[in-house]
Amino acid sequence: KAGVTQTPRYLIKTRGQQVTLSCSPISGHRSVSWYQQTPGQGLQFLFEYFSETQRNKGNFPGRFSGRQFSNSRSEMNVSTLELGDSALYLCASSLSLTGGREKLFFGSGTQLSVL
Amino acid sequence: GEDVEQSLFLSVREGDSSVINCTYTDSSSTYLYWYKQEPGAGLQLLTYIFSNMDMKQDQRLTVLLNKKDKHLSLRIADTQTGDSAIYFCAESSGGYSTLTFGKGTMLLVSP
Repeated sequence: KAGVTQTPRYLIKTRGQQVTLSCSPISGHRSVSWYQQTPGQGLQFLFEYFSETQRNKGNFPGRFSGRQFSNSRSEMNVSTLELGDSALYLCASSLSLTGGREKLFFGSGTQLSVL
Repeated sequence: GEDVEQSLFLSVREGDSSVINCTYTDSSSTYLYWYKQEPGAGLQLLTYIFSNMDMKQDQRLTVLLNKKDKHLSLRIADTQTGDSAIYFCAESSGGYSTLTFGKGTMLLVSP
C-alpha cells in the first residue's frame, strides 16, 4: 500500500508570493490533516479535512487555507508569503475511526523556503 | 491550553536501554503517541497507548503511562545506532486528527 505522498518535496518562493502544496493520502483514508514544523515552534496543527469539509482548524492566520477533493486528496495554500512561513509542511492521513483513536500516517513533507 | 513537554536530548551507548520522558497537561487526553523522525523524513508512528492503560509493550519498545502524574515514557531496549532520531510525544484531546506534539527528544546512539 502506498504511503502518504506530498509534492513538491522542496519549494523556494519569495515574500509576497503564494504557494500550493499537495497531499495524496493512503488509499481508503478519508481524513487529511496538515502540520507546520519549525525549529522554534515545533509541530503545530494547521487544519484537518474529512469528506471535503474542514473539521478542525488550528491557530493560524487566514493566509493559510486548504481544501479536500472527492478522492480525499488535499491541497493547502499559503498566500502573501512571509519569511516566517519557511517550514516543513507535513500532511497526515488517517482512517478517522470513531472513539478518538487516530493513527496518523505522515508524508515526508514539503520543505518551503521563503526568501 | 494543552501542553506537552519533553527533554531535548539523550545520549546512550549502543546496546544500552534508552528512556525518553514526556509530560502533558490535558487530563482529557484519550490517546498518547510516540513518533520517530529521521533526518529529512516525515514522522513514523512507533506506538500509542490508550489513557486507561498503564503499560504497553511492542518488541523492543515499552510505553509506561502514569495518568495521575500525566507522565509518559518510552523505553527502547538494546538501543541500536539506527535508533538515532528525534522522538516526539503527542496527545489527542483536541478532537479528530488534532494531535498536540512535544518539541521532540533527539536520541543519539554511539557505537
